[in-house]
Amino acid sequence: SQQGEEDPQALSIQEGENATMNCSYKTSINNLQWYRQNSGRGLVHLILIRSNEREKHSGRLRVTLDTSKKSSSLLITASRAADTASYFCATDNYGQNFVFGPGTRLSVLP
Amino acid sequence: GAGVSQTPSNKVTEKGKYVELRCDPISGHTALYWYRQSLGQGPEFLIYFQGTGAADDSGLPNDRFFAVRPEGSVSTLKIQRTERGDSAVYLCASSLMTGGNQPQHFGDGTRLSIL
Repeated sequence: SQQGEEDPQALSIQEGENATMNCSYKTSINNLQWYRQNSGRGLVHLILIRSNEREKHSGRLRVTLDTSKKSSSLLITASRAADTASYFCATDNYGQNFVFGPGTRLSVLP
Repeated sequence: GAGVSQTPSNKVTEKGKYVELRCDPISGHTALYWYRQSLGQGPEFLIYFQGTGAADDSGLPNDRFFAVRPEGSVSTLKIQRTERGDSAVYLCASSLMTGGNQPQHFGDGTRLSIL
């Protein structure tokens, strides 16, 4: 079974609004990563947060991690139509392989 | 520079046939991962290589699936006696080293359709 579960499954917002996606996981982790996938393409790495970090920023992206709740959130500020994609969290589960959640499908309407 | 390249981009074959999917990672990346992705789902881990050796093949669904990376660069995923349930997008990713702190670089995948 998959380690991470993103919430919501789908999200539709207007351009300029903020988008928040959540990821919950089951077991302890070392690192959590967020990826984006455009339709028909491979995944693109967005940001990595380590288990001893609580918040990280990269451009319009803000990621938080709460290890006590086993959850992470990805915030995209001032969204653009080009942000339309599926977003996945991936956890390393203290191992060498990665476990991805089912993803959140984000639609940003112009 | 060049990213991860996967060939073919699409493969359609009949049930029972043998298929090979190729992945050409980013030059210098020692870790290589194979995933399978069904429609509307996240990537499902199959196997990963550190150099030439398969470090973890726990995700391979059964013995019809096999992967090699003989020279520590290009990898081939081989599927014997294909079944309709094998239809999916097969993704390859590489990273500079193994480890959960390494970002993975993905190819665009091979879309496999078993008729």
